[in-house]
Amino acid sequence: AQSVTQLGSHVSVSEGALVLLRCNYSSSVPPYLFWYVQYPNQGLQLLLKYTSAATLVKGINGFEAEFKKSETSFHLTKPSAHMSDAAEYFCAVSKGDSGGSNYKLTFGKGTLLTVNP
Amino acid sequence: DTEVTQTPKHLVMGMTNKKSLKCEQHMGHRAMYWYKQKAKKPPELMFVYSYEKLSINESVPSRFSPECPNSSLLNLHLHALQPEDSALYLCASSQDPTRDLADTQYFGPGTRLTVL
Repeated sequence: AQSVTQLGSHVSVSEGALVLLRCNYSSSVPPYLFWYVQYPNQGLQLLLKYTSAATLVKGINGFEAEFKKSETSFHLTKPSAHMSDAAEYFCAVSKGDSGGSNYKLTFGKGTLLTVNP
Repeated sequence: DTEVTQTPKHLVMGMTNKKSLKCEQHMGHRAMYWYKQKAKKPPELMFVYSYEKLSINESVPSRFSPECPNSSLLNLHLHALQPEDSALYLCASSQDPTRDLADTQYFGPGTRLTVL
């Protein structure tokens, strides 16, 4: 069964520092992986997704993630943190059903990113 | 345009009230979803409609009743809720998960529900 584990429920960085949010997946088949961001009192916004087209995926707001099959990882990075990056980040994996449809996203528990001035 | 709208933004209701949450998208998406999100937790899937038919019900109590009047609209009817049902209710839509395993779900801003 597909699942994701986010290491670190809370990450704190200084403004301008590297952001690294960790996500490891468990999947018996090549996974489809997503990173979403949720700002306070808002819905989820897609940052980027991996669909096997390229291992390095670039997303919005300067974020990118690298798919590493050997490490079963899909970590999210940003070279320089901005105050506006403070939010909850969720890694997710899609799960197909027996009929070949993909309705379900399995989310990690989330990582709260705080950015200090 | 990847906008999913939800109304109302906030809702306070008593345990005997009947209320409805509304979700709308105009992206031509064929799947729509309801999620429940408690504080500091990831969203939990409740229902999925695909081509206006209920495809998934994640064993949600019957006091939550979904409805999909057309391909752009999704409602969640609430009746006799409990205080523990207080949460952020998120709606999402996606193009067509029957054709694309990497189908992206686009989320609305949510309705913050408080049950007294």
